[in-house]
Amino acid sequence: AQKVTQAQTEISVVEKEDVTLDCVYETRDTTYYLFWYKQPPSGELVFLIRRNSFDEQNEISGRYSWNFQKSTSSFNFTITASQVVDSAVYFCALLDTGRRALTFGSGTRLQVQP
Amino acid sequence: DGGITQSPKYLFRKEGQNVTLSCEQNLNHDAMYWYRQDPGQGLRLIYYSQIVNDFQKGDIAEGYSVSREKKESFPLTVTSAQKNPTAFYLCASSIAPQVSGANVLTFGAGSRLTVL
Repeated sequence: AQKVTQAQTEISVVEKEDVTLDCVYETRDTTYYLFWYKQPPSGELVFLIRRNSFDEQNEISGRYSWNFQKSTSSFNFTITASQVVDSAVYFCALLDTGRRALTFGSGTRLQVQP
Repeated sequence: DGGITQSPKYLFRKEGQNVTLSCEQNLNHDAMYWYRQDPGQGLRLIYYSQIVNDFQKGDIAEGYSVSREKKESFPLTVTSAQKNPTAFYLCASSIAPQVSGANVLTFGAGSRLTVL
C-alpha cells in the first residue's frame, strides 16, 4: 500500500522568511511519480510539480525548489522569501500506478504573515 | 479556455435526500476522478474512470454512485446511504497515460455539500 505523510499540519512564517514543507512517502513500486499541489482559499488545487523516481535532480522554479531524496523517501518543498500570496494548503501526492490516481498526504497549511 | 466545471459550488441537503454533483470537462481528457476533502484528512478517492462507460471504486465509495456516459461528464451522486456526507468534493481529470503530461491531474473548483 502507498502512503504519503505530511507531518506539519500548519506552519506560520513572516513574509520574506524561507520555509520548507516536508513530505515522506512509502511505496513498493520501483518507478513512481511524486507531485506537489497548492490549494489557495478558493479551493481549486493547482499543480506545482511532478517528479519521476529515476530523476533525483533537485528542481528550482523561481522562489520554489524541491529536494527529492530516495534514500530517505522524502520530497521536500522549499519556498524562498515567502510572500503573503503563498498562504495556502500544500499537498504532496504519490501516483498509484495501478489506478492512475493520486494518493495525497493530509496537507500542510502555510500562513505567511505580512 | 479549457478546464473543469463543477456545479453547484454550494449545496445544502436534508438528511435522507440524494444529491448529484456535476463535473464537466472540455480538456478532452480520458480519465476522471472524484475526491472528498475533510479538514485535516487530505483528499480521499471516491471513484475514478479511465474511459467512457467504465468506472472503478476508490477508497471510500460506500454511499456514492457515478456514471460515465460521456467523455466530458462524470457526475457524482451522494446517496442517503452516505452517513457523513458533509464535505468538500473535488473533481479532476487527466490525459491518457501514454501521452506527454500524463498523470497530472487537473482539478475543478469544488462543490461544498452541507447536510442540515
